[in-house]
Amino acid sequence: AQKVTQAQTEISVVEKEDVTLDCVYETRDTTYYLFWYKQPPSGELVFLIRRNSFDEQNEISGRYSWNFQKSTSSFNFTITASQVVDSAVYFCALSGDSGAGSYQLTFGKGTKLSVIP
Amino acid sequence: DVKVTQSSRYLVKRTGEKVFLECVQDMDHENMFWYRQDPGLGLRLIYFSYDVKMKEKGDIPEGYSVSREKKERFSLILESASTNQTSMYLCASSLVDEQYFGPGTRLTVT
Repeated sequence: AQKVTQAQTEISVVEKEDVTLDCVYETRDTTYYLFWYKQPPSGELVFLIRRNSFDEQNEISGRYSWNFQKSTSSFNFTITASQVVDSAVYFCALSGDSGAGSYQLTFGKGTKLSVIP
Repeated sequence: DVKVTQSSRYLVKRTGEKVFLECVQDMDHENMFWYRQDPGLGLRLIYFSYDVKMKEKGDIPEGYSVSREKKERFSLILESASTNQTSMYLCASSLVDEQYFGPGTRLTVT
């Protein structure tokens, strides 16, 4: 069975600080995909990134960066110079290649980030 | 842009009522999903569908049913609403594994 653990339930940072959200996953699949979603107070989950298991290159998109380490089964998300608009719940998710069920996502329980002005 | 819409943002129903939550997507996606989100529990999959008239149980299907008569529409049905079904309900659709979510329906059962 697949599992995603986001050990940080809530994090508070002061604006302009950097913050890293941790994600650890478990899977027996050799091919899988990892995701991050953002859920602002409005409620709608917004897709941020998709990464496949064969691509361990780190990715940067503006103030966002992602560190995928297969050796530690982690896919961490860093926000540089945080802003109040980054306040949201962030979910890490995992999908596999297990036939008919492969399009299901297994979500972590989320990390609530509060950025204080 | 992918658009997933849900029929209501907020809904209040009484215990025992039959409740319909509607979800529509406009991107011709094959896959559609219903989740509920509760504090401390994250997103839990109720039902999903890979095609018209096809449905599969997720992790917590008890007390729910679904209907997919058209590709773009996926309905979640609470046959007899109970207070423990008070929750945020999220619908999603996907072509492969990247899911796109609707704005959610916050359902309160009194």
